[in-house]
Amino acid sequence: EADIYQTPRYLVIGTGKKITLECSQTMGHDKMYWYQQDPGMELHLIHYSYGVNSTEKGDLSSESTVSRIRTEHFPLTLESARPSHTSQYLCASRSPVNYGYTFGSGTRLTVV
Amino acid sequence: TQLLEQSPQFLSIQEGENLTVYCNSSSVFSSLQWYRQEPGEGPVLLVTVVTGGEVKKLKRLTFQFGDARKDSSLHITAAQPGDTGLYLCAGLLSGSARQLTFGSGTQLTVLP
Repeated sequence: EADIYQTPRYLVIGTGKKITLECSQTMGHDKMYWYQQDPGMELHLIHYSYGVNSTEKGDLSSESTVSRIRTEHFPLTLESARPSHTSQYLCASRSPVNYGYTFGSGTRLTVV
Repeated sequence: TQLLEQSPQFLSIQEGENLTVYCNSSSVFSSLQWYRQEPGEGPVLLVTVVTGGEVKKLKRLTFQFGDARKDSSLHITAAQPGDTGLYLCAGLLSGSARQLTFGSGTQLTVLP
């Protein structure tokens, strides 16, 4: 049973398009994260948030932006998609109890 | 330079064999976690270890945190095809600990 939801699961778009990847969690976690991952490879942190109206850039330079207007919602936007943005994008939230991350199933983005 | 080095990067074994995966660093971590990721899905938390020398068992999986809290290992006994996946270690750096640092991952394939 998923407590963190990402949509869409798969997306193929043309270069230059604006897209928003959705992420919602029902656990009331304050801390949320976006990671980029190529198949079978390590995760790279691109954005994180410690609560409403708090957002920070991660270690990996990214042309995306995020917002956190509600605790449960942490969308990621690409203003102008490029083929180099082709990857899997994973959203996660962190438990304040055991510090474990719960990940969504990811959005597999292909920019053609 | 990867803060958390995992080895081996790839491992292919026969069903029933035992294996150990390693996660090493020169830095000290306040806690360390192990995740398993199946293709097309997000990582799933397996265990969190917080005390140097700690050993935790999860059915056929045994996790150990090094005495100095710089390394960890995952041992699987009598591997099964269902154990196939990408195994990721992730740690909270001691003293900062604002977000997890992920290792590069070990891709395990268990052949029937």
